[in-house]
Amino acid sequence: QKEVEQDPGPLSVPEGAIVSLNCTYSNSAFQYFMWYRQYSRKGPELLMYTYSSGNKEDGRFTAQVDKSSKYISLFIRDSQPSDSATYLCATSKGGSEKLVFGKGTKLTVNP
Amino acid sequence: DAGITQSPRYKITETGRQVTLMCHQTWSHSYMFWYRQDLGHGLRLIYYSAAADITDKGEVPDGYVVSRSKTENFPLTLESATRSQTSVYFCASSDFSRSYNEQFFGPGTRLTVL
Repeated sequence: QKEVEQDPGPLSVPEGAIVSLNCTYSNSAFQYFMWYRQYSRKGPELLMYTYSSGNKEDGRFTAQVDKSSKYISLFIRDSQPSDSATYLCATSKGGSEKLVFGKGTKLTVNP
Repeated sequence: DAGITQSPRYKITETGRQVTLMCHQTWSHSYMFWYRQDLGHGLRLIYYSAAADITDKGEVPDGYVVSRSKTENFPLTLESATRSQTSVYFCASSDFSRSYNEQFFGPGTRLTVL
């Protein structure tokens, strides 16, 4: 079992839809949870991070972590064609320099 | 140019040849990483380095060699390329100044081994 599982999709939605992207993880030692966004033929870039359980909101994006169920979510409200990308969840243990990535979910937002 | 750069961006080589992928960062970040990204596997860590002359294996190190004589450079060498090493390779760096260890990625090198 991989430490982080993510449905690779692909996911296709109409513009304006609410998008829900999810990951599960197996190691309870993970404390930091991140979402990276990767546009086609580009390197990933950090979109959001959360520490431990809870929600974090940034504009149209909300990151949610439920440590009791080991579930990580990213919600995108009012999705735009510019949100079309691959979204990768990532986790790390406290003090660790290494990140563990999910496989990524490819999202397409259709105008 | 400021940031993290990789060269070449595209490379085609033949089985058995030695190939070196270059990575250069201008931030003086202490940590540097090499990943490969393959369909169905996502990003997998090959090697990483905490500082000059300090390197360590990641998840998939076999067939790869790294060195880090200067903080800003972290080359990755495929000593004898195999078809299974056809992939997109990403270099990343981090200063680990934040507890959540944000990593900054380069644009990637697309390597094809024939």
